[in-house]
Amino acid sequence: EADIYQTPRYLVIGTGKKITLECSQTMGHDKMYWYQQDPGMELHLIHYSYGVNSTEKGDLSSESTVSRIRTEHFPLTLESARPSHTSQYLCASSEYSSTDTQYFGPGTRLTVL
Amino acid sequence: GENVEQHPSTLSVQEGDSAVIKCTYSDSASNYFPWYKQELGKRPQLIIDIRSNVGEKKDQRIAVTLNKTAKHFSLHITETQPEDSAVYFCAARRKNTDKLIFGTGTRLQVFP
Repeated sequence: EADIYQTPRYLVIGTGKKITLECSQTMGHDKMYWYQQDPGMELHLIHYSYGVNSTEKGDLSSESTVSRIRTEHFPLTLESARPSHTSQYLCASSEYSSTDTQYFGPGTRLTVL
Repeated sequence: GENVEQHPSTLSVQEGDSAVIKCTYSDSASNYFPWYKQELGKRPQLIIDIRSNVGEKKDQRIAVTLNKTAKHFSLHITETQPEDSAVYFCAARRKNTDKLIFGTGTRLQVFP
């Protein structure tokens, strides 16, 4: 079934650890996005990609980095996690169309102690 | 840059009543306006969207209206049900960009 998958769904780690949040989609979409969202609050775009080898920073400054080596895979990495990184991270994808409708993954809830 | 304001931040209605959520955008070049519903602990789900060449769109109990002159658009839910309870987000996309600017969300509670 075509969908967007994120792993892990929940992660609790200590300060200073390096982490990678995984996002994969089987929808055949070229564009992918990462959003940061505190529970019930607005979504802030932190990274996006038009396709393989394309990455752009979003509107919200973030210490994370992303890569896009394969069309279906868009991982997000934090080199040294801090408590201020505690949040939910949502991955999304869209196809090239007149609307670019974005479809979201289930999210990763990250807690940094 | 683009800014989207959303009101109200919380809305409580009785089952069967109607609910209206309003959003205002700042960039007149915006041409696509989706609405997402996010239930507690779940991902945002697209429920309806409208393009700038249309003034109104309806899908069963849900409708969206767009006023380009005033730069605002609204979500209308009729005959509300408890399962409509969620946080609703509006968004706007500027023409020829790939980014959505989201509103701050409206927490809708429908009481039985």
